[in-house]
Amino acid sequence: KNQVEQSPQSLIILEGKNCTLQCNYTVSPFSNLRWYKQDTGRGPVSLTIMTFSENTKSNGRYTATLDADTKQSSLHITASQLSDSASYICVVSEKEYGNKLVFGAGTILRVKS
Amino acid sequence: DAGVIQSPRHEVTEMGQEVTLRCKPISGHDYLFWYRQTMMRGLELLIYFNNNVPIDDSGMPEDRFSAKMPNASFSTLKIQPSEPRDSAVYFCASSLETYTGELFFGEGSRLTVL
Repeated sequence: KNQVEQSPQSLIILEGKNCTLQCNYTVSPFSNLRWYKQDTGRGPVSLTIMTFSENTKSNGRYTATLDADTKQSSLHITASQLSDSASYICVVSEKEYGNKLVFGAGTILRVKS
Repeated sequence: DAGVIQSPRHEVTEMGQEVTLRCKPISGHDYLFWYRQTMMRGLELLIYFNNNVPIDDSGMPEDRFSAKMPNASFSTLKIQPSEPRDSAVYFCASSLETYTGELFFGEGSRLTVL
């Protein structure tokens, strides 16, 4: 069964610190992998998209990495801010079966001052 | 563009009542999706449309759930009769061209069934 597992489930860090969120998937073959940020009470918003051939992609203080061989992705947040407090969801697109999206359960990040 | 617009934002109803959630996708987006989000199960796809036609409704939990898209700018998700286990946040999302395109989510409708 195609799955997306995220870790940790939740994380608390101090403002200004860096953190890394993990995403392991079994989806194969896949088209792309996206990281979404979901603020409390809001809908998810796409942060980055990575295709099979990409290793790293940055969006401001957010840097996503992808290792297609080990089926792992990470989202690194640099110099965290209070506004980074949110749920971060990893979403993998299956290449077959109509490119169905497989969602991870998300990592809840809380940045404290 | 105003983005995906959902209404109501919050709905509290009693078990057995009919609930209708509404969605206006981003203009020009050919795909529209209905998701349900709970703490236990995360985001689950209920149904999606392409050019107003339902393509995959395998995620609709029961016959109590139905969705329509009468035109390119409006969709509804109806639950009749509602049950307490239907309590969740329901998201509508739209995308531009392909299933693998970026999803643009609305703010969600938080449903509480007492």
